[in-house]
Amino acid sequence: DAKTTQPPSMDCAEGRAANLPCNHSTISGNEYVYWYRQIHSQGPQYIIHGLKNNETNEMASLIITEDRKSSTLILPHATLRDTAVYYCIVRDYGQNFVFGPGTRLSVLP
Amino acid sequence: GAGVSQTPSNKVTEKGKYVELRCDPISGHTALYWYRQSLGQGPEFLIYFQGTGAADDSGLPNDRFFAVRPEGSVSTLKIQRTERGDSAVYLCASSETGGRAKNIQYFGAGTRLSVL
Repeated sequence: DAKTTQPPSMDCAEGRAANLPCNHSTISGNEYVYWYRQIHSQGPQYIIHGLKNNETNEMASLIITEDRKSSTLILPHATLRDTAVYYCIVRDYGQNFVFGPGTRLSVLP
Repeated sequence: GAGVSQTPSNKVTEKGKYVELRCDPISGHTALYWYRQSLGQGPEFLIYFQGTGAADDSGLPNDRFFAVRPEGSVSTLKIQRTERGDSAVYLCASSETGGRAKNIQYFGAGTRLSVL
């Protein structure tokens, strides 16, 4: 079973920030938080990952709470092309990715 | 550079037939993964190769499913005596190394298998 819980769906206005939450209350000290997204009819695409510190790359920012029990993926200026299913995954050394159902983000014009 | 390539993109077969699905990983990636994705669900792990050997095949649903990676590059997922319940998108991913916490998996577009 997935170790994360995410809302099944969210809407966001084009040009606004999209904030996607993820709960991982049972995360252990060695487990990283990964985010992937899947656009219709494509394979999952890596977005970002982190352990303790907040992370930022060209696609998104990842904010991890101090207790590491939850995180938020931020798309700073959502576009229509960001409409996708977003998966939050926690994973430790030697473990396989376990995908949950994810959050279906709809970016609205 | 080239990403993970999967062929065919679509496969339609009849119940009871044998199918092979092919995955070409990113050049130089030693780890390769197969997943299966049913409609409305996230990908489900099937098997993981490190080099030529299957390091973890715990996700294969039964003995009708088998995968090989004889030269440590291309992999083939084989399904015998297909059943309608095998209909799904089969995804392949590769990463530079396997089993390490930081490894990033890169996915192909998948093969959509339809068993009639």
